[in-house]
Amino acid sequence: SQQGEEDPQALSIQEGENATMNCSYKTSINNLQWYRQNSGRGLVHLILIRSNEREKHSGRLRVTLDTSKKSSSLLITASRAADTASYFCATDSAQGAQKLVFGQGTRLTINP
Amino acid sequence: DSGVTQTPKHLITATGQRVTLRCSPRSGDLSVYWYQQSLDQGLQFLIQYYNGEERAKGNILERFSAQQFPDLHSELNLSSLELGDSALYFCASSDYRGRNYGYTFGSGTRLTVV
Repeated sequence: SQQGEEDPQALSIQEGENATMNCSYKTSINNLQWYRQNSGRGLVHLILIRSNEREKHSGRLRVTLDTSKKSSSLLITASRAADTASYFCATDSAQGAQKLVFGQGTRLTINP
Repeated sequence: DSGVTQTPKHLITATGQRVTLRCSPRSGDLSVYWYQQSLDQGLQFLIQYYNGEERAKGNILERFSAQQFPDLHSELNLSSLELGDSALYFCASSDYRGRNYGYTFGSGTRLTVV
């Protein structure tokens, strides 16, 4: 079963606009991570936010985490055509076995 | 190049056959994870090894098995293959629990069962 669920499933915006993707999860976590996947290729780690952190920045990426609502958001500012990809959130649960559980992803398309 | 090497990149085989997928983790990483990605199931965690020992098991079928060798490379064995096993199989590696920098993924093996 999937721990994280992304919203929306697909997002299409114009180049230069900001893109926001949301992720909800069910159990308590050690950390939450965001990954990018270009079509048919391997996943690339973007950013990791720990359960005691509320916001993190990396270049044009901003991630927030609200553990009370069990949700996270990924904001990509000033989007570029090269940002077109699928974005996944993944949770490292604080309980049970060690494994990173991925959501179904958001398919982001940046139109030039 | 992510530092995680998976071979082969593509594999086409017939139903009922057995295949072995290979993964070499990033230098210094002791944990190896296997994931299956299909259109209908998304990314499914299969199994994790840490320094040669199995640490966690996910949705891995009994027809599938894996191991991690003393040099830390790992192999995923898929047997009695069915059409539904066609998918992308990813290997990832990390330090203990990936708490410092997350997982590093390989480029995957695309398995097609015909």
